[in-house]
Amino acid sequence: GAVVSQHPSWVICKSGTSVKIECRSLDFQATTMFWYRQFPKQSLMLMATSNEGSKATYEQGVEKDKFLINHASLTLSTLTVTSAHPEDSSFYICSARENRVREGYTFGSGTRLTVV
Amino acid sequence: AQSVTQLGSHVSVSEGALVLLRCNYSSSVPPYLFWYVQYPNQGLQLLLKYTSAATLVKGINGFEAEFKKSETSFHLTKPSAHMSDAAEYFCAVSDQAGTALIFGKGTTLSVSS
Repeated sequence: GAVVSQHPSWVICKSGTSVKIECRSLDFQATTMFWYRQFPKQSLMLMATSNEGSKATYEQGVEKDKFLINHASLTLSTLTVTSAHPEDSSFYICSARENRVREGYTFGSGTRLTVV
Repeated sequence: AQSVTQLGSHVSVSEGALVLLRCNYSSSVPPYLFWYVQYPNQGLQLLLKYTSAATLVKGINGFEAEFKKSETSFHLTKPSAHMSDAAEYFCAVSDQAGTALIFGKGTTLSVSS
């Protein structure tokens, strides 16, 4: 089946630094990818939708200058958390839309970000 | 806008007992509905999905769900719980093909021996 590889699986960074999270579709082309954020014991909140070759569409309340999303190829989307602060600590999960399968969505394994 | 409501944030069952996790949707158009399972610090694994074909959907690991339009429900069931079923379960919806999934708040399933 379809596989989405997300790296890193966990990262600790200092406050004020930037962190990049990668999401790759390994055996299919993903024209659309989605980024979610999940707080402990809570649901997944959609942050943004990215389409290959175009600017990402951010959900209301998500700072586009803080959470930079790039989808430069059909197999790679990246989320960069800029000038990270402790409140950005969370679990980030990407999802790729698989066009070969009707309503096929494949999720990455997630990235645990801790800002200290 | 579409949404899903999961009734019961925590469900506890005994091993071998019936599992019933509830999900109601709110959508102005026929929705696509999904159930996912999440183990701690991991991504989501698809259990099953409804895409307007058969109303009774069978998934992996013995789970199934029935789409009931009259009740706007898509409850997840499993006849006999196993210890390995203990996890977080999410119901999700989209009302247009290819759009982002919107998730419910999740239900934690505990299984006791």
